[in-house]
This record gives sequence, C-alpha cells and structure tokens, in this order.
Amino acid sequence: DTEVTQTPKHLVMGMTNKKSLKCEQHMGHRAMYWYKQKAKKPPELMFVYSYEKLSINESVPSRFSPECPNSSLLNLHLHALQPEDSALYLCASSHNKGGARGAGELFFGEGSRLTVL
Amino acid sequence: QQQVKQSPQSLIVQKGGISIINCAYENTAFDYFPWYQQFPGKGPALLIAIRPDVSEKKEGRFTISFNKSAKQFSLHIMDSQPGDSATYFCAATISNFGNEKLTFGTGTRLTIIP
Repeated sequence: DTEVTQTPKHLVMGMTNKKSLKCEQHMGHRAMYWYKQKAKKPPELMFVYSYEKLSINESVPSRFSPECPNSSLLNLHLHALQPEDSALYLCASSHNKGGARGAGELFFGEGSRLTVL
Repeated sequence: QQQVKQSPQSLIVQKGGISIINCAYENTAFDYFPWYQQFPGKGPALLIAIRPDVSEKKEGRFTISFNKSAKQFSLHIMDSQPGDSATYFCAATISNFGNEKLTFGTGTRLTIIP
C-alpha cells in the first residue's frame, strides 16, 4: 500500500465546475509535488512545494491552483478546465526536494483519474 | 539538453529471459539516474538508482549498467517474471536541483509472457 493517499480516485467534471484533488502523506516528508500523466506518457511536473512554500510552478495554466495547508497535505484546485486536461494527476512526496545530498526518492500516490467533459 | 531518450517503446520477453531497456542523455551535468516502475492503475515507484561514480549497480534481479563516456545507462532484468510486466521509466537529474529537475524518459512497456 502506498503511503501517499490521494482522493478522489476518479473525478468527472464539466468545464464550468470547481473541484479539488487532495493528497496526504504521513512520512514526515517536507517536499510535495503534483504531476500530470497522460496515457502512455511519463509524468510531467506541475508544482513543487518545499517546507509548505511553492518552489516550482512549471508554467502551469492558472486554472490549476495548488495549495499546501501543512506539511502533510497538498491540494490541487481545479476550475474551468478543458477536455485536454483529462489525465492522471499524481501526488508525490520526498524527504526533501534535493540538494547537495542528491535527489531523494519520490513516493507517488496512486493518482486521481480526471475526466473533463 | 534536458532530454532523456529511452528505448524500446515496448518489449515482450519470455518468462525466464533477460529484459533490457536502454536510456541515453545529453546533459553531462546529470549525476543521479533512477529507474521507476509503474503498474497499471498505480503511481510510479522507485526501483533502483545509480550515480556515475560506479559502472554497475545490482539489486536482486535488477541491474543498472552505466557508461559515462557514452552517456548511456540501461536496466537489465534477469530471470524476468510475469509480475515484472509494467511500464519502466528511466530518469536523470542534477543532484543540486534534485527532484525539481528530474527528467523522465518516454517509458517502456514491458510484457513478460509465460
């Protein structure tokens, strides 16, 4: 069982809806990530939080809004999405985001499968 | 320069055989090379990783071979089993940037047939 828990597992929403994806980890990790994965493609980094502060925003459209309420929780707020945003959204965490000691292992959740109609 | 090229796109291997997946990179600053394994309906999970100061790393049936001069590294799965059927992603990054700059390869869908 993964130690990164994502909810919901499946989400269907219309283009005018507002919804949120949630992620939780209790491994004491201080870096958390959102990735987007399309079918048969590698994960693409969207956001990185380090010590609850947004560290990286890989030019993601503003219809995706991340939030890190505390070191264990990560949310992704969705608004006015497009059908091409349909994908598997993966949350991940690591001990830290990297540095002189090198990249730490990424622990992924099972993902939230999003369908935008 | 940030690309990691992975081949083959898909691979079918008989049970008990050796599965080999290859990756190549351009950025000589990369110094950490992990492999992630992803089963259908699951997130990726770290399988094995290597740094360029060694040419080979082995963990059980999984071995990474690293050729720094050729800027290539590969994953070998010995005695391949049906349970190894999954998608495998190689990746690379620069330690100082860590997971923020982790670049994934395009993935290899491995199928082990009985």
